[in-house]
Amino acid sequence: AQTVTQSQPEMSVQEAETVTLSCTYDTSESDYYLFWYKQPPSRQMILVIRQEAYKQQNATENRFSVNFQKAAKSFSLKISDSQLGDAAMYFCASDSNYQLIWGAGTKLIIKP
Amino acid sequence: DVKVTQSSRYLVKRTGEKVFLECVQDMDHENMFWYRQDPGLGLRLIYFSYDVKMKEKGDIPEGYSVSREKKERFSLILESASTNQTSMYLCASSAYYGQGRIYSNQPQHFGDGTRLSIL
Repeated sequence: AQTVTQSQPEMSVQEAETVTLSCTYDTSESDYYLFWYKQPPSRQMILVIRQEAYKQQNATENRFSVNFQKAAKSFSLKISDSQLGDAAMYFCASDSNYQLIWGAGTKLIIKP
Repeated sequence: DVKVTQSSRYLVKRTGEKVFLECVQDMDHENMFWYRQDPGLGLRLIYFSYDVKMKEKGDIPEGYSVSREKKERFSLILESASTNQTSMYLCASSAYYGQGRIYSNQPQHFGDGTRLSIL
């Protein structure tokens, strides 16, 4: 079965600094998508960033970027210039065409 | 913007009751999903639907059923609620893109969630 592992249950970062959240996955697919979702304390899950596996270039969305290492099956999320509003649970997910496989999540704490 | 609306934010029911959780999306999405979220376990897929009256089991369908009579509405039913079904339930929708049985390559849009307590 496909799995997604987020090894950091909780991370903290000083406001304005950079933090990297780790994610590894296991898939037998040759073409797939990877996602990072954010769930703030208000609970609505929202998409942060999406990466297509066949694209070499790492996806970027403003202060959010990924380090996608296909051979290593690693998909980390880097948040630059952390803001108080970035405090949330972050979930990594791997697409298997049929359904998303989700990691357990990383709680990100922003220290003012 | 896509809006996914879940009928209740908080719900308290008793064991043995039949419980209905409703979800409505306004973007004409083909795919709709019901997840259960528990601490340390991430999201687990209960059921999803890729068209009206069509459904597929996810990883944990036992004790649940679903109904999709209209494209915009996807209901989750707990046939006989039990205390181990106390959880956060999330509904999501997404567009269909591609060919064949491809349901998860597009971004999913979530509702606010329903915190269900079974006493």
